[in-house]
Amino acid sequence: KNEVEQSPQNLTAQEGEFITINCSYSVGISALHWLQQHPGGGIVSLFMLSSGKKKHGRLIATINIQEKHSSLHITASHPRDSAVYICAVRRVGAPYSGAGSYQLTFGKGTKLSVIP
Amino acid sequence: EAQVTQNPRYLITVTGKKLTVTCSQNMNHEYMSWYRQDPGLGLRQIYYSMNVEVTDKGDVPEGYKVSRKEKRNFPLILESPSPNQTSLYFCASSGLASTGELFFGEGSRLTVL
Repeated sequence: KNEVEQSPQNLTAQEGEFITINCSYSVGISALHWLQQHPGGGIVSLFMLSSGKKKHGRLIATINIQEKHSSLHITASHPRDSAVYICAVRRVGAPYSGAGSYQLTFGKGTKLSVIP
Repeated sequence: EAQVTQNPRYLITVTGKKLTVTCSQNMNHEYMSWYRQDPGLGLRQIYYSMNVEVTDKGDVPEGYKVSRKEKRNFPLILESPSPNQTSLYFCASSGLASTGELFFGEGSRLTVL
């Protein structure tokens, strides 16, 4: 079983719809990232969360540490939101070097297509 | 402009021929890291560095080396590339004392024949 699971794998929505992408993880974490990868391949950081909720424009990200679950919501979706959305967790663990750990484990991504 | 720069962006090489993919950031970030992205497997962390002269293994370090002699640079070295290292590689950086936002390079597509 993967340590980070995203659902759904693929999502097609009509323009204007409210979208939710889910991320569940099975390891201890100190933070969770949501990333966006457009068809050209570039990756952009959307949010980093360690608790609660963050909002940026039409994007909202929430995390429930007790339930080991995070959601990314897109309100009033638009075709330019079409991309792959990737969840990544910063694992808590023993560092090899003593300088702190920043081991990232990624979900396999959710491919979103928003149709006009 | 804040950026992470990787070079080369595209490379085709042959098995066993040593190569280096460079990564440079201009944001004075402490954290830098390398990832590879493969179809069906997603992104996986290769190595990361929390500061100069401090590096640690990620999930898939075999066949790779890194060094962090300067804060701005974090090269990825393939001493003896093999076909299973054909992949899309990304470098990223982050300022640990700030928001924790990750800044990614544009990616380097490597093919090993």
